[in-house]
Amino acid sequence: EAGVAQSPRYKIIEKRQSVAFWCNPISGHATLYWYQQILGQGPKLLIQFQNNGVVDDSQLPKDRFSAERLKGVDSTLKIQPAKLEDSAVYLCASSKDRETLNTGELFFGEGSRLTVL
Amino acid sequence: SQQGEEDPQALSIQEGENATMNCSYKTSINNLQWYRQNSGRGLVHLILIRSNEREKHSGRLRVTLDTSKKSSSLLITASRAADTASYFCATDARGGYQKVTFGTGTKLQVIP
Repeated sequence: EAGVAQSPRYKIIEKRQSVAFWCNPISGHATLYWYQQILGQGPKLLIQFQNNGVVDDSQLPKDRFSAERLKGVDSTLKIQPAKLEDSAVYLCASSKDRETLNTGELFFGEGSRLTVL
Repeated sequence: SQQGEEDPQALSIQEGENATMNCSYKTSINNLQWYRQNSGRGLVHLILIRSNEREKHSGRLRVTLDTSKKSSSLLITASRAADTASYFCATDARGGYQKVTFGTGTKLQVIP
């Protein structure tokens, strides 16, 4: 079974430039997550999709970050314009639909490391 | 915001010793999971324990959950150099919609 695919793995940009990250979840996984992980910290949830609908984006800085999930499969996360504090690893994860109230396992991609200069 | 907080932040042990990491969280949960992250890689799921369970084992891993204290512990027995990684607890808040929130992590170093 193919895992969660992310690209690019590394990106270096100047502040105020824009960047986009792409994620392809595991086939059949309805839920897709984008996390931001700053060096030395735990992952912070930015946005969560259930199929192609957003179920949580409370911690997404909406003035500069946007995300979409086309046809309930692939997803892109965009930052425009980038700030120095956006330097982090952006992790995409997916999980199956839950049949009960208990969450299942999250499968993570390798992440996209962003450096903003 | 971080739901969980791991303790200690860093841990260094000799190969063969046991490693214990603790996680405290704030709200009632459906379940708690532990993940491992090797340097520069994504997170890998280790084990899930449901809120009505008190202890769970998987290979060299033992997880306990005390919902009255809102805490969990991860024990890795007979550690190996390959266990060197960061370990995170993650919670799914009760009444939520599968929102998984991660803690701050424990960085484990196993010295050969």
